[in-house]
Amino acid sequence: TQLLEQSPQFLSIQEGENLTVYCNSSSVFSSLQWYRQEPGEGPVLLVTVVTGGEVKKLKRLTFQFGDARKDSSLHITAAQPGDTGLYLCAGGVDNYGQNFVFGPGTRLSVLP
Amino acid sequence: NAGVTQTPKFRILKIGQSMTLQCAQDMNHNYMYWYRQDPGMGLKLIYYSVGAGITDKGEVPNGYNVSRSTTEDFPLRLELAAPSQTSVYFCASGYRASGRVDQFFGPGTRLTVL
Repeated sequence: TQLLEQSPQFLSIQEGENLTVYCNSSSVFSSLQWYRQEPGEGPVLLVTVVTGGEVKKLKRLTFQFGDARKDSSLHITAAQPGDTGLYLCAGGVDNYGQNFVFGPGTRLSVLP
Repeated sequence: NAGVTQTPKFRILKIGQSMTLQCAQDMNHNYMYWYRQDPGMGLKLIYYSVGAGITDKGEVPNGYNVSRSTTEDFPLRLELAAPSQTSVYFCASGYRASGRVDQFFGPGTRLTVL
C-alpha cells in the first residue's frame, strides 16, 4: 500500500505570514493533487501536478512536485483567514492516475 | 449544473441493518469514486468506476458493494452495518485531461452505526 505523509499536522499562524506544508512518500506517484476542505463540506481540488519538478501557481499559492515524483509542497504567501481549512494531498497510484491515495491532511488556521 | 449530489446527508443505522448511499452527477464524467473519511485520517478509497458497467475495488472495499448502470449514478450499498463503518462518506466524479483525472466531490453523507 502506498502511503502519503503530511506535515505539519496542525499549523496556526497570523494573517500575513507565509507558510509551507509538505506531502511525502517513499513511493512514486503518477500525479499529485492538492485539495482544501472546510468543515462539513467535501474537498475542493486546488491543483494537479503530473511532471517531476513541476511548479504551478494559483494566486498566492505555489505548488511543487518533487523531481522524483515522491513528494510535493504547498507554499502560501501572505496567508489570509479565508485560507483556513484542511489541506489534503492525494497521489495517483496507477499509471493512468485514476486511483488515488490521500494523506491525512494539514489543518491550517489563519488568525486575523 | 448541480455537480455531485449525495443523499441522505445524515443517517443513523443499527448494527446489522443495510442501506444504500446515493450519488449522482450531472457533468457527464466517466470516473466516479466512493471514499470514507474518519476523524484525522484523510480519505480512503472504497470503490471506483471508470465508466458505466465497470467498477473496481479501492483500498477498503470490505463490507460495501457498488454498481454503475448509468454514467450519472453510482450508489454504494452497505450490507450488515457495523460500528466500524461509522464515518463520513464522500462521492466524487472526475474527468481525464492531460494524463490525469481531476475529481469533484459531493457534500458527503454522515453515517453513524449504533
